[in-house]
Amino acid sequence: AQTVTQSQPEMSVQEAETVTLSCTYDTSESDYYLFWYKQPPSRQMILVIRQEAYKQQNATENRFSVNFQKAAKSFSLKISDSQLGDAAMYFCAYRRGETSGSRLTFGEGTQLTVNP
Amino acid sequence: DGGITQSPKYLFRKEGQNVTLSCEQNLNHDAMYWYRQDPGQGLRLIYYSQIVNDFQKGDIAEGYSVSREKKESFPLTVTSAQKNPTAFYLCASSIYTPSPNYGYTFGSGTRLTVV
Repeated sequence: AQTVTQSQPEMSVQEAETVTLSCTYDTSESDYYLFWYKQPPSRQMILVIRQEAYKQQNATENRFSVNFQKAAKSFSLKISDSQLGDAAMYFCAYRRGETSGSRLTFGEGTQLTVNP
Repeated sequence: DGGITQSPKYLFRKEGQNVTLSCEQNLNHDAMYWYRQDPGQGLRLIYYSQIVNDFQKGDIAEGYSVSREKKESFPLTVTSAQKNPTAFYLCASSIYTPSPNYGYTFGSGTRLTVV
């Protein structure tokens, strides 16, 4: 079974600084997708960024980027120029790349605090 | 606007009662999912359904039941057999096959408390 591990239960960053959230996963599959979701205090889950395993280029969405290391099974999220609105719980997630509506497997989450 | 609606937002259950959480989507998504969220444990999959009239158990299905009679609806029943039902429940949906617009759309959740 696939597992996703986030080893940092809590992180903090100063406003305008950069922070990196870690995620590792375990799988024997070669075709899969990785995601970072954000859950603010409203508890609404918001997709931040996605990465296809077959793509070597790291995904980027504005201030959010990933460092995807396929051989190491590592998928970290970098938030640049942190803003107060970035404060949230962040979840790393894995999904097999099959055509059968496969499930998402989530990590335990990292609570990010942004200090003014 | 398309989306997923979960109701109610807050739900209180007495010991021994069954309660049903509603999840409705108008996104024309094929697959629907129920997750349970507890502090420090992330999201754990309860049940999922890829097509109408079919569903599969997730990792923590004991004490829960679901139905999928319509594509738009995937209600979750928390039965009296679930010994620790107090949690936050999230419903999600997705397109059946991988596509460039890939991932889940989530509802806003239901907070269930046993009183």
